[in-house]
Amino acid sequence: EDQVTQSPEALRLQEGESSSLNCSYTVSGLRGLFWYRQDPGKGPEFLFTLYSAGEEKEKERLKATLTKKESFLHITAPKPEDSATYLCAVRSSGGYQKVTFGTGTKLQVIP
Amino acid sequence: EAGVAQSPRYKIIEKRQSVAFWCNPISGHATLYWYQQILGQGPKLLIQFQNNGVVDDSQLPKDRFSAERLKGVDSTLKIQPAKLEDSAVYLCASSLVGGWSTDTQYFGPGTRLTVL
Repeated sequence: EDQVTQSPEALRLQEGESSSLNCSYTVSGLRGLFWYRQDPGKGPEFLFTLYSAGEEKEKERLKATLTKKESFLHITAPKPEDSATYLCAVRSSGGYQKVTFGTGTKLQVIP
Repeated sequence: EAGVAQSPRYKIIEKRQSVAFWCNPISGHATLYWYQQILGQGPKLLIQFQNNGVVDDSQLPKDRFSAERLKGVDSTLKIQPAKLEDSAVYLCASSLVGGWSTDTQYFGPGTRLTVL
């Protein structure tokens, strides 16, 4: 069974204080790793897809990286508007390539 | 481009009552998903449609949950009868093709269900 574990569960940062979120996974043949942002009362918003180890993608203050066992979401000089829950998900090669989500990291950036 | 639409946004019902949720995917998207997200957890896939056919409903509690996607566009998810543990946000998502590594799921705002 595919598993996704995110850490930490919650993270509180001062504005400008860079940090990283972790997503560890076990999957029967990785066909894609996704990062989503979810604001309270809203559906997840797509950020990145990574396909193979060594791949990196960037968007504004966010940078996602991928190894064979985990992914990191690096947040550089965060701002209060980056406060949200960040979800990681994996798509496996089995079955209908089901997507399995982690429980998320709740990020709070304090001015 | 219009996003995934869902209604209602909120619903409060008594246990053992019935409830239905509606989803309109992004135009042209062949694949539609229903997820259940319990507070503090990640979304869990309930059912996946490819056009109007079901391709994965392995985690759908079929004794009380049902879903249909008529004409391969809109979809309805029904719970009958509801239990307290069904309290959650029900998310609908759609993707262009489905089953391909390059396929991205786009989510609607969700319906928050409270069962009393």
